[in-house]
Amino acid sequence: DAGVIQSPRHEVTEMGQEVTLRCKPISGHDYLFWYRQTMMRGLELLIYFNNNVPIDDSGMPEDRFSAKMPNASFSTLKIQPSEPRDSAVYFCASRRGKGWGTEAFFGQGTRLTVV
Amino acid sequence: EDQVTQSPEALRLQEGESSSLNCSYTVSGLRGLFWYRQDPGKGPEFLFTLYSAGEEKEKERLKATLTKKESFLHITAPKPEDSATYLCAVQAGGYGQNFVFGPGTRLSVLP
Repeated sequence: DAGVIQSPRHEVTEMGQEVTLRCKPISGHDYLFWYRQTMMRGLELLIYFNNNVPIDDSGMPEDRFSAKMPNASFSTLKIQPSEPRDSAVYFCASRRGKGWGTEAFFGQGTRLTVV
Repeated sequence: EDQVTQSPEALRLQEGESSSLNCSYTVSGLRGLFWYRQDPGKGPEFLFTLYSAGEEKEKERLKATLTKKESFLHITAPKPEDSATYLCAVQAGGYGQNFVFGPGTRLSVLP
């Protein structure tokens, strides 16, 4: 398996522009997580899905952020409009949800810079 | 309040100099404690899962242990390629299926 695939790897955009990050989870995994990593706050959960349904979006910072999972093999995280404080590395992770305590596997991340 | 902390924040070792990293947690209903390794510019890479106090897991030069309040990642005779940030994460009943991560320990192993 190719693992969790994220695109793009790097994104530089101007303040006010829309940004869309993409994720393909590992086949057969029924949980998908979006995390954001910064030096100040470390890894923070933004939202997670189970069987394509959003379960907990309490970490989404503002209405400017939205996430979708139209099918089991694809998810997007959209920021509209983007702001400089959104600059961070965004990770997607997936896991097979048979009970508790199964590990999550991470993608390589998207480094977002908003200027 | 639930918390996951790691110490030290950064650690420099000489090649071959063994040491331990600490992950302390205060959560209700621990379901699993996970160790990850993260190299610069990459996503976290899974190392171990521990489920209950007294459990130990080993992989090459790494050994992870778990008590009711903390976990240790012991590194025996480290090599420069062990240099990375080591993250611990907990899954607890109050978090649903989420993982809550500690801030990490930056390990540098000098040749």
